[in-house]
Amino acid sequence: AQSVSQHNHHVILSEAASLELGCNYSYGGTVNLFWYVQYPGQHLQLLLKYFSGDPLVKGIKGFEAEFIKSKFSFNLRKPSVQWSDTAEYFCAVNGKVKFSGGYNKLIFGAGTRLAVHP
Amino acid sequence: DTEVTQTPKHLVMGMTNKKSLKCEQHMGHRAMYWYKQKAKKPPELMFVYSYEKLSINESVPSRFSPECPNSSLLNLHLHALQPEDSALYLCASSQVDRGDEQYFGPGTRLTVT
Repeated sequence: AQSVSQHNHHVILSEAASLELGCNYSYGGTVNLFWYVQYPGQHLQLLLKYFSGDPLVKGIKGFEAEFIKSKFSFNLRKPSVQWSDTAEYFCAVNGKVKFSGGYNKLIFGAGTRLAVHP
Repeated sequence: DTEVTQTPKHLVMGMTNKKSLKCEQHMGHRAMYWYKQKAKKPPELMFVYSYEKLSINESVPSRFSPECPNSSLLNLHLHALQPEDSALYLCASSQVDRGDEQYFGPGTRLTVT
């Protein structure tokens, strides 16, 4: 069965600090990988995604993530965080298995709550 | 238009009430989802509709009844809920067969009294 682990449940940083949030997944096949963000009081938004190709993907708001297949990891990074990055971050995996209905089943990690202080 | 809309934004209901949550998207997506999200937790999948047919029911109690009247609309009918069902209910949609990202609505904050 697929699973996703996010190692940091709660991260506190000062503005301009660098950020790295860990994500590891467990799945034997090919996967699509996602990072979603949920700002306070707002809906889940896609930060970035990896399907194939260059393992370093760039997303919105200066975020990037690196897919390391050998480590089953998809860590999220940002060189310099801002107060507005305060949010909950979810890593998610979608195994490339063709289900009977053709839908996608996302498996979410537990989430990392990031607080950035001015 | 990459928006998923949900109504109502907030809902308070008693344990004997019947209410419905609504979700709409106009992105041409043929997969639609209901999730339940408790505070400080990730979304938990409840139901998946693909091509307007129920594809997955993640062992959700029968007091939750989904409905997909057409390719743009998704409803969740609620009856005889329990206080522990209080949560944020999220709707999402996606393309099928491509493993694409899901687009989430803002959710309905449900409180069961």
